[in-house]
Amino acid sequence: EDQVTQSPEALRLQEGESSSLNCSYTVSGLRGLFWYRQDPGKGPEFLFTLYSAGEEKEKERLKATLTKKESFLHITAPKPEDSATYLCAPSGGAQKLVFGQGTRLTINP
Amino acid sequence: KAGVTQTPRYLIKTRGQQVTLSCSPISGHRSVSWYQQTPGQGLQFLFEYFSETQRNKGNFPGRFSGRQFSNSRSEMNVSTLELGDSALYLCASKDGAGLGGANVLTFGAGSRLTVL
Repeated sequence: EDQVTQSPEALRLQEGESSSLNCSYTVSGLRGLFWYRQDPGKGPEFLFTLYSAGEEKEKERLKATLTKKESFLHITAPKPEDSATYLCAPSGGAQKLVFGQGTRLTINP
Repeated sequence: KAGVTQTPRYLIKTRGQQVTLSCSPISGHRSVSWYQQTPGQGLQFLFEYFSETQRNKGNFPGRFSGRQFSNSRSEMNVSTLELGDSALYLCASKDGAGLGGANVLTFGAGSRLTVL
C-alpha cells in the first residue's frame, strides 16, 4: 500500500531562518511526486512536480529535491508570507495522488 | 480563466441526512477528482471521473458516490450522514487522464460539511 510521511508536523521559524521539510514515501511505480501549498480556508495550490531521483525544482525561496525514498522542500530565507501547510503527494501506478499529512510552517517576522 | 468552483462553500446537516456537493472544473478540463480532508486523516482520495466515467476509487464506503456530466461538471453525494463525515470536501480538475507535465490537479476552495 502506498504510504507517505511528512516531518515535522509543524515548524516555526524566524524570518530569514532557512530549513527543510521532509517527505518519505513508499509508492510502487512512482510516476511523479507533487508538492502543494495550502493556506487556511483554501484548497491546495500546486508548487512542483518531480519525476526522478536527483531532480531539483526551484521557485522563489523554495527548492524541491527528490531521492528514491524521500523528497525535501528547502526553504531559504523565508518570509512571513511563506507561512502555510506544505503537502507532498506521490503518484504511483494508479495515477492518483496520495497525500501526506502536511507540515504546518509558520514564519515569524 | 476561471478556477475550480465548488458549491456550497459551507453547509450543516444532521445525522442520517444526505448531501450533494457540486464542482465546476476549469473550462476544458475533462478530469475531476474528489478528496476528503480532515484534521486526523489529512487529504484522502475519494474518486476520479474522466469523460463521465469513474476511473479511480478510494477506500470509502458505498455511501459516498459521484457522477460527472457531459459538460465535465461533477457532483458527489453522501447518504446517511455520520458525524465522522464532517470534513472539507475538495474537488480538483485537470485536462488529461494522466498526471504530470501540464496535467496537474488544480483544486477548488472546498465545501465544508458539518454533521450534527
